[in-house]
Amino acid sequence: QKEVEQNSGPLSVPEGAIASLNCTYSDRGSQSFFWYRQYSGKSPELIMSIYSNGDKEDGRFTAQLNKASQYVSLLIRDSQPSDSATYLCAAGGTSYGKLTFGQGTILTVHP
Amino acid sequence: EAQVTQNPRYLITVTGKKLTVTCSQNMNHEYMSWYRQDPGLGLRQIYYSMNVEVTDKGDVPEGYKVSRKEKRNFPLILESPSPNQTSLYFCASSFRDHNQPQHFGDGTRLSIL
Repeated sequence: QKEVEQNSGPLSVPEGAIASLNCTYSDRGSQSFFWYRQYSGKSPELIMSIYSNGDKEDGRFTAQLNKASQYVSLLIRDSQPSDSATYLCAAGGTSYGKLTFGQGTILTVHP
Repeated sequence: EAQVTQNPRYLITVTGKKLTVTCSQNMNHEYMSWYRQDPGLGLRQIYYSMNVEVTDKGDVPEGYKVSRKEKRNFPLILESPSPNQTSLYFCASSFRDHNQPQHFGDGTRLSIL
């Protein structure tokens, strides 16, 4: 089992729809969780960080964390073509200094 | 401007020729880390450093060396590069440790022939 696993893409949604990206992690002691967006040929940029169970909202983005189920998700409301990118989930593990990324999910928002 | 700077951005070289990729941050961050990104595999951590003179292995350290002699710099060294080290490399830093958001450099694309 991969330490951080994302739903296999690619994911395609129409403009204006809700895009749902999912991620599971195996290290039960993980304390920090991140969603990064990466445009083709560019470096990852932080979308959301979440540390506690529940929802965290920032504009059109909502991160959801369920530590009991070892599950973290990212919802993008009113998806725009500019949201088309690869989304990376990451978890800060219990091993000091270790940050593990999932394999990424490619999202395409079509007009 | 707060940034993480990597050099070179692109490099094509040959097997066995030692190379160094530099990474420098101007944010006084304690934590720095190197990743490689390969298609379908996401970002994999190579080495990280919690502070000056404190470094440790990530998930894929074989064939790489690092040093942290100054807080701002964290070079990645390939002593004897091989074709399987052809990849896109990212340096990142954060204020304290892996539990804070990472600031990424622009990446270095290495091709080892």
